[in-house]
Amino acid sequence: KNEVEQSPQNLTAQEGEFITINCSYSVGISALHWLQQHPGGGIVSLFMLSSGKKKHGRLIATINIQEKHSSLHITASHPRDSAVYICAVRAGAQKLVFGQGTRLTINP
Amino acid sequence: DADVTQTPRNRITKTGKRIMLECSQTKGHDRMYWYRQDPGLGLRLIYYSFDVKDINKGEISDGYSVSRQAQAKFSLSLESAIPNQTALYFCATSEGQGDGYTFGSGTRLTVV
Repeated sequence: KNEVEQSPQNLTAQEGEFITINCSYSVGISALHWLQQHPGGGIVSLFMLSSGKKKHGRLIATINIQEKHSSLHITASHPRDSAVYICAVRAGAQKLVFGQGTRLTINP
Repeated sequence: DADVTQTPRNRITKTGKRIMLECSQTKGHDRMYWYRQDPGLGLRLIYYSFDVKDINKGEISDGYSVSRQAQAKFSLSLESAIPNQTALYFCATSEGQGDGYTFGSGTRLTVV
């Protein structure tokens, strides 16, 4: 079993829909990262959080340390949000453990 | 200019060839990392460096070597490339343990 599991693996939605991507982990962590990988391959860091909730524009990330679970929400989704979203947890001084990613497609 | 620059962006090489992937950063970060990404798998750590004199193996270092030429430069070498090293390679930096990461744009390597 992977230490970091994301669901769903693929998600297709219509423009304007509210999107939720989930991340569950099985190890103790000091922080959790949400990353976005564009179709061209580049990776951008969206959030780093260790508790509670963070918001940036239409993106919201939450984490529940006790339940070892995090969610990434996108409000009013847009085709430009189409990307692979990756959850990664910091499980040691140098180690990030990555989920397999969720491929999101937003249709106009 | 990008904060973390990887060269080349794409490379096709033959089995047995030596190849070097280069990474340079303008973030001023001490910590640098090399990851590889394969379809259906999460990114996996190849090597990491916390400063110029500190080099550490990651979870999949076999077949790879690195050089930290300066704080800003961290190169990954494949001494004798093999087809299962075909992957997307990312360089990343971070300032410290509790900080976020900055990724390069990736190098798509194909070994034929």
